[in-house]
Amino acid sequence: NAGVTQTPKFQVLKTGQSMTLQCAQDMNHNSMYWYRQDPGMGLRLIYYSASEGTTDKGEVPNGYNVSRLNKREFSLRLESAAPSQTSVYFCASNDFMYSYNEQFFGPGTRLTVL
Amino acid sequence: TQLLEQSPQFLSIQEGENLTVYCNSSSVFSSLQWYRQEPGEGPVLLVTVVTGGEVKKLKRLTFQFGDARKDSSLHITAAQPGDTGLYLCAGGGTSYGKLTFGQGTILTVHP
Repeated sequence: NAGVTQTPKFQVLKTGQSMTLQCAQDMNHNSMYWYRQDPGMGLRLIYYSASEGTTDKGEVPNGYNVSRLNKREFSLRLESAAPSQTSVYFCASNDFMYSYNEQFFGPGTRLTVL
Repeated sequence: TQLLEQSPQFLSIQEGENLTVYCNSSSVFSSLQWYRQEPGEGPVLLVTVVTGGEVKKLKRLTFQFGDARKDSSLHITAAQPGDTGLYLCAGGGTSYGKLTFGQGTILTVHP
């Protein structure tokens, strides 16, 4: 079991460029999440998908879009990157129907926007 | 909006010392998790507490959930350099398995 995988691990973009961050999980979890982590701010939820076919905004959704491609995969897209989006992005999954909200995290994508 | 205030933000101690990290909120949570994160990696779950007043021990780590389920603490006894990392508390109870995270505590244990 790989758990939660994310690609790429590192990315450098210029302002205005677009990119998609990929996430996949092999634990048959229903729910998936995208967070960004900035120094001193913990983890902030960008978007989540409670189940296949549904997506909802989290705390900081502006500038991002998501796609729940199937039960395994949940992608995060930056349409026009801005320096304020420089951050570390984590994908997570869980099966909240059968757990106390425990989430399993991927290794992260470190994004720099110049 | 539920908020979790975590303190202290930074902790630098010598090997063998004890320490406590606090996580406080004005909101009630149905569960409280503690995660540990090492540089370059994602957070890893340490423990989940769900009952008010609950105490869980994991080797030298002791976790407590407040009676009113609004606060939690993590106590480490005789800290070791291997304990170095970022510790995050997270409260559950909102819809669809979402978590509210504290700001994190960066712990450095010097040999």
